[in-house]
Amino acid sequence: RKEVEQDPGPFNVPEGATVAFNCTYSNSASQSFFWYRQDCRKEPKLLMSVYSSGNEDGRFTAQLNRASQYISLLIRDSKLSDSATYLCVVNEAGGSYIPTFGRGTSLIVHP
Amino acid sequence: DAGITQSPRHKVTETGTPVTLRCHQTENHRYMYWYRQDPGHGLRLIHYSYGVKDTDKGEVSDGYSVSRSKTEDFLLTLESATSSQTSVYFCAISEFNLDDNEQFFGPGTRLTVL
Repeated sequence: RKEVEQDPGPFNVPEGATVAFNCTYSNSASQSFFWYRQDCRKEPKLLMSVYSSGNEDGRFTAQLNRASQYISLLIRDSKLSDSATYLCVVNEAGGSYIPTFGRGTSLIVHP
Repeated sequence: DAGITQSPRHKVTETGTPVTLRCHQTENHRYMYWYRQDPGHGLRLIHYSYGVKDTDKGEVSDGYSVSRSKTEDFLLTLESATSSQTSVYFCAISEFNLDDNEQFFGPGTRLTVL
């Protein structure tokens, strides 16, 4: 069974802090990777894709480590509005496109 | 936002009754999915479709069936609802692209089985 593991948290951080989440995956054939954000009682929405070379979008940086089979999400200068659950998603290579979701990491940013 | 809607948004039903949830998209995306989300379990795939009349089982398909007679509609049926099927159900859509498989989710259906 494919496994995608995340620390559920919650991570409680003050505004302005830097926080990092990791997500490990068990299938070495995994092809593509994503971080989604889910607000309370809302649907998940794509935050960013994770590329082999790493990628950055404003205060958010995603990294992929294929050798150790994990992806990471770094949030700098945390805002109150960053409070949410962050879901890691991993897709296998080839064949049908069936993503596997992690259970999510809860982030609470406080004043 | 992607054009994806779910109906109903909330439903309360009794054990043993059939229930059908509808997912409708206006994006002409090939793939459609039904997930359930429960505390401590995250999102779990129930069934998915990779084209009209083409469906397959996901991780937690027992007690559920699906149908896709048109590109835009994907129906999830609970043949005889049980209390263990109380959950939030999300529909999602995507295009098949190895490099960028973003999924767009509907707003969810909150189902309570008494």
